[in-house]
Amino acid sequence: EPEVTQTPSHQVTQMGQEVILRCVPISNHLYFYWYRQILGQKVEFLVSFYNNEISEKSEIFDDQFSVERPDGSNFTLKIRSTKLEDSAMYFCASTEDRGRRSPLHFGNGTRLTVT
Amino acid sequence: DQQVKQNSPSLSVQEGRISILNCDYTNSMFDYFLWYKKYPAEGPTFLISISSIKDKNEDGRFTVFLNKSAKHLSLHIVPSQPGDSAVYFCAASDGGATNKLIFGTGTLLAVQP
Repeated sequence: EPEVTQTPSHQVTQMGQEVILRCVPISNHLYFYWYRQILGQKVEFLVSFYNNEISEKSEIFDDQFSVERPDGSNFTLKIRSTKLEDSAMYFCASTEDRGRRSPLHFGNGTRLTVT
Repeated sequence: DQQVKQNSPSLSVQEGRISILNCDYTNSMFDYFLWYKKYPAEGPTFLISISSIKDKNEDGRFTVFLNKSAKHLSLHIVPSQPGDSAVYFCAASDGGATNKLIFGTGTLLAVQP
């Protein structure tokens, strides 16, 4: 079964550094998402992306965050200047369409640790 | 702002018995609900969903019940199996343009052999 692939599985960075988290969504999917889960808390929506632009973003997704689909396969999340509170598990997800019969497929996540 | 709540952080059941996981929501605009299962070191995996126009949806051992007046849904797993041991997340959608999901905090289910 096709799956969403995320790299790296674990990223350690120092506060203030830029990080790029990478995702390869399922090939025929058109809608892409980033979610995050701080340890012990709920999974939170960050941003959705369709047709090469952000379609919705949460209040968490401030100017330090950006997303990009640099080619036909990758979908990236960049954090420009990481903060300690950015430490979390970041999940990429994709779906064929935004209809209800097309649930989100999640990757296995990237654990980001900011020291 | 906890629009989706799972008040039981954990649940333990015996193999073969029924597991009942509960979820409450506050936003009356939610019209579609999903359950995801998550194993350690993996992403959430879709399990089952229900539209607000229904009160029950069944898929094999998994049944989701929706009580709109109480803003409550539950997931029943019967019979429970050790492989069902995982964190279960309830999620809701308000029918917006982006299919954004609002998740609960999860319930850790442990099925004892």
